[in-house]
Amino acid sequence: EAQVTQNPRYLITVTGKKLTVTCSQNMNHEYMSWYRQDPGLGLRQIYYSMNVEVTDKGDVPEGYKVSRKEKRNFPLILESPSPNQTSLYFCASSGEGGQGRGEQYFGPGTRLTVT
Amino acid sequence: DQQVKQNSPSLSVQEGRISILNCDYTNSMFDYFLWYKKYPAEGPTFLISISSIKDKNEDGRFTVFLNKSAKHLSLHIVPSQPGDSAVYFCAASYSGTYKYIFGTGTRLKVLA
Repeated sequence: EAQVTQNPRYLITVTGKKLTVTCSQNMNHEYMSWYRQDPGLGLRQIYYSMNVEVTDKGDVPEGYKVSRKEKRNFPLILESPSPNQTSLYFCASSGEGGQGRGEQYFGPGTRLTVT
Repeated sequence: DQQVKQNSPSLSVQEGRISILNCDYTNSMFDYFLWYKKYPAEGPTFLISISSIKDKNEDGRFTVFLNKSAKHLSLHIVPSQPGDSAVYFCAASYSGTYKYIFGTGTRLKVLA
């Protein structure tokens, strides 16, 4: 089954404790992206990757890091989480020739709470 | 600065009638638009897209209209079904970038 998986689905952590949210897709997609969803703000893009070792900032990259060492994986790293990073996070992938200009498949989401 | 706006946070429609969801944008460089549907506790799922070279695109019960001069797009669902009850997001992108800008979403409730 074609899918995007994220782990963990739920996470409660404390300020400053480094964490990683994993994202994996089994569709051989070139393009992957991370979003956060907040009430009243919709979905905002954090980082995206056009292919292995190629990443770039979205609209809200502050406080986040990403890496793309393998095509299928695109982890989101919070080196020193803060309460304003409490949010619902989505990973997505697209196979439109690496352009990302097509249907994006979204993962189920990771709800992160930072206290 | 919200470049993509969905000014109606919610909409209620009777089953069988037409649902019209609206989206406005400010950046004239946007040339590709998409609509996604989101159920609670799930990730968004793609519905339909439109390129700026078109003014209409249809897929079954879903039609997206693009008015470039007004910087406005709309999603029509005909006929509306209770299973269409969800949050709908519009998104925009432009050539030469891989960024996507999403609206804040409209919650559609289709009443049986």
